[in-house]
Amino acid sequence: DVKVTQSSRYLVKRTGEKVFLECVQDMDHENMFWYRQDPGLGLRLIYFSYDVKMKEKGDIPEGYSVSREKKERFSLILESASTNQTSMYLCASTGSSGDTQYFGPGTRLTVL
Amino acid sequence: EDQVTQSPEALRLQEGESSSLNCSYTVSGLRGLFWYRQDPGKGPEFLFTLYSAGEEKEKERLKATLTKKESFLHITAPKPEDSATYLCAVRNSGGYQKVTFGTGTKLQVIP
Repeated sequence: DVKVTQSSRYLVKRTGEKVFLECVQDMDHENMFWYRQDPGLGLRLIYFSYDVKMKEKGDIPEGYSVSREKKERFSLILESASTNQTSMYLCASTGSSGDTQYFGPGTRLTVL
Repeated sequence: EDQVTQSPEALRLQEGESSSLNCSYTVSGLRGLFWYRQDPGKGPEFLFTLYSAGEEKEKERLKATLTKKESFLHITAPKPEDSATYLCAVRNSGGYQKVTFGTGTKLQVIP
């Protein structure tokens, strides 16, 4: 069965803190993605990675960075959290065909 | 730029009352159209992938169809447990792995 896990379901951080969100998939997928989801705006792509140590910017990369040191793990980093980064963060992965994306359970991040 | 528009934004049905959700799209060469179900506070759960006009897929009370401009998710005799937000997404045939999502239809099925 397809499995994508995220390190936290809920997270509360202070403005200016460095935040790490981790995603792990056990399907040997090449491609991994980070989205944020906000009411009325849908899912917006932050970054994606098509291979270890490779990354590409999505639609809204400002204020975020990513790391992919191992194939199964993709991390999203908020260098200095701000209140406008309060959101639901979703990780997804796909195989080499790049078609169907499988999602993790999400991390609800609140920045105070 | 690829675009996905879902309608209605919200739909309230009585249990057993069949209906359809619409997903209109514009894409530069369709690679795939995806339907997901999302429960509150959770990640989207994959339902279907459709690849070409005329294709249909079914799963329990759900049936997805595809034309060159839109897709429908038909819900037959829905039950309260079908209540969720249904998301539609498209991927174009370019090399870039980007998928464009709609904002979803929130379905509520009342017993």
